[in-house]
Amino acid sequence: TQLLEQSPQFLSIQEGENLTVYCNSSSVFSSLQWYRQEPGEGPVLLVTVVTGGEVKKLKRLTFQFGDARKDSSLHITAAQPGDTGLYLCAGGASGSRLTFGEGTQLTVNP
Amino acid sequence: GAVVSQHPSRVICKSGTSVKIECRSLDFQATTMFWYRQFPKQSLMLMATSNEGSKATYEQGVEKDKFLINHASLTLSTLTVTSAHPEDSSFYICSARDPRTSGDFNEQFFGPGTRLTVL
Repeated sequence: TQLLEQSPQFLSIQEGENLTVYCNSSSVFSSLQWYRQEPGEGPVLLVTVVTGGEVKKLKRLTFQFGDARKDSSLHITAAQPGDTGLYLCAGGASGSRLTFGEGTQLTVNP
Repeated sequence: GAVVSQHPSRVICKSGTSVKIECRSLDFQATTMFWYRQFPKQSLMLMATSNEGSKATYEQGVEKDKFLINHASLTLSTLTVTSAHPEDSSFYICSARDPRTSGDFNEQFFGPGTRLTVL
């Protein structure tokens, strides 16, 4: 069974601070996705990483896939209140179901 | 990205009644859709994988007679919660793979979710 451990589970920071969320597993994934979910809505896909060592940037968000494709990180620079939400990592093998991490509830206070 | 809709967004029902939730892929055909359940401030829990034209695959511990899934077309999957009880109250979310873009990347596109409250 593939498991994804996400940390931290809760994070409350001030506007302008930087933060990093980690997603770790003992299993290798062919791809890994990061989603963001707001209360009462479905998750929205932010990025997919597929190559070991890959780094992708989405404005102030930087996503990295570990060299061994077992872990990933999400770094947010100068967080804003609009970044508040539940961040979920999810990985899977090609054509299979996704394994989700436990999620990181981020609150950015103005 | 691909668009997935869900209906209704909220439903309140009495204990013992059945509730049907629809999941539609609006701009693509989805041979595979997924149904998740989510409790407050928790991650998604996969309930079942819905395959067009065949029986759904249920996760361990999910009662298939309680949660009926029908994927009758390439754009529609339905989840029926039968004889609902208060413990079935939850946020139900569907997702679908877009074969035009997901490829081997395993990306899923989610609906907006349905909040079910059973009184």
